[in-house]
Order: sequence, then structure tokens, then C-alpha cells
Amino acid sequence: EDKVVQSPLSLVVHEGDTVTLNCSYEVTNFRSLLWYKQEKKAPTFLFMLTSSGIEKKSGRLSSILDKKELFSILNITATQTGDSAIYLCAVVGGSNYKLTFGKGTLLTVNP
Amino acid sequence: NAGVTQTPKFQVLKTGQSMTLQCAQDMNHEYMSWYRQDPGMGLRLIHYSVGAGITDQGEVPNGYNVSRSTTEDFPLRLLSAAPSQTSVYFCASSYDSGNTIYFGEGSWLTVV
Repeated sequence: EDKVVQSPLSLVVHEGDTVTLNCSYEVTNFRSLLWYKQEKKAPTFLFMLTSSGIEKKSGRLSSILDKKELFSILNITATQTGDSAIYLCAVVGGSNYKLTFGKGTLLTVNP
Repeated sequence: NAGVTQTPKFQVLKTGQSMTLQCAQDMNHEYMSWYRQDPGMGLRLIHYSVGAGITDQGEVPNGYNVSRSTTEDFPLRLLSAAPSQTSVYFCASSYDSGNTIYFGEGSWLTVV
């Protein structure tokens, strides 16, 4: 059975801190790994990673994939209160390349 | 550009009632899926479809049916609602399963 495990499940930091969110996976026929941010409604897309060692970056957020060790990290530098959200990791793989989500990391950034 | 449209946004059902959550996308996406989201459980896949006429079960399919008669529509049917089906339901679509997933805005369902 395909598995995606995120850690930590929740995290509380102060504005300006740097955070690292982790996602490990076990899937057959790995195709890609995706990161999403979810505030009050539907998840919004952050990154899609398919190749090891290539960092994707968008502003203060960055992510990298390690296909040998089967994990990805999402870094957020200089956190702001607007970064407070659930961050979801999902992996495309398995039979019919279905998408499997982790349970998410709830990030709270306090002023 | 409507994207992924889910209806209804909110629904309250009595135990044993049936209902259909509607999902439509106008992006000509082949891949569509339904998830439910419960506190502390993340998003769990209920059913998915890789194209019209093809559906498959996800992680938590029991109590739900789907069909995909057209590329645009992927309705989710609750056959006999149970309180355990109280959840937020998201429909999603993508060009194929490896590409960016677009989510609907969610349907909040309460079964009493």
C-alpha cells in the first residue's frame, strides 16, 4: 500500500523563524511529488518535484526531492503570519498513478 | 474559466438518506478524483477516474459510488448516508495524474 508520511504533524514558530517540513514516501511507480498549502478552503499548489537534487524555489519557499532516500523537504524562510496553514505533501504513483496525500503539517506562525 | 466546480457547498443529511455531490471541470482534464478531509487525517482518496468510462477505488471507497460518463463530470454518490461520512469533500482534476491538480472549493457535508 502506498504511504506518505509527513512530519511534524504540527509546528508553532515565531515570525522570522525558518521552518523545514518533511515528507517521506513509499510508493510503487513513483512519478512526482507535490506540495500544497491549505488555508481555509481548497489546497493551493506550491511545487511539483520529479527529479532528485533539483531545488524548486518560489520567494521564501523552496523544496527539494531525494528519490534515493524517498523524501522531500519544504523550507520556509523568514516566516510570516500569512504562512500559517496546513502544508500537504502528495505523491503520484502506484497503480494508475493515483495521488496519495500525507496527513499534513499544521504550521502556526505567531507574531 | 470556471475550473473545477463542486455543488453543493454545504449539505445536511439524515442518516440513511442518499445524495449526489456534483463535480464538473471545463479544462478537458482526463484525470478526476474525489477526496474526503477529516481533522488529523489529511486528504484521503475515495474514488478516481483516468478517463470517461473508467473509474477505480481509492483508499476509502466504502459507502460511495462514482461514474464517469463524460470527461467533464464526475459525480460522487452517497448511497445511505452515515454519521461517519460527515466530512469535507474535495473534487480534483488534472490533465493527467502527474500534472498539477486543480481542486474544487469543497463540499461540507454533515450527516445527523
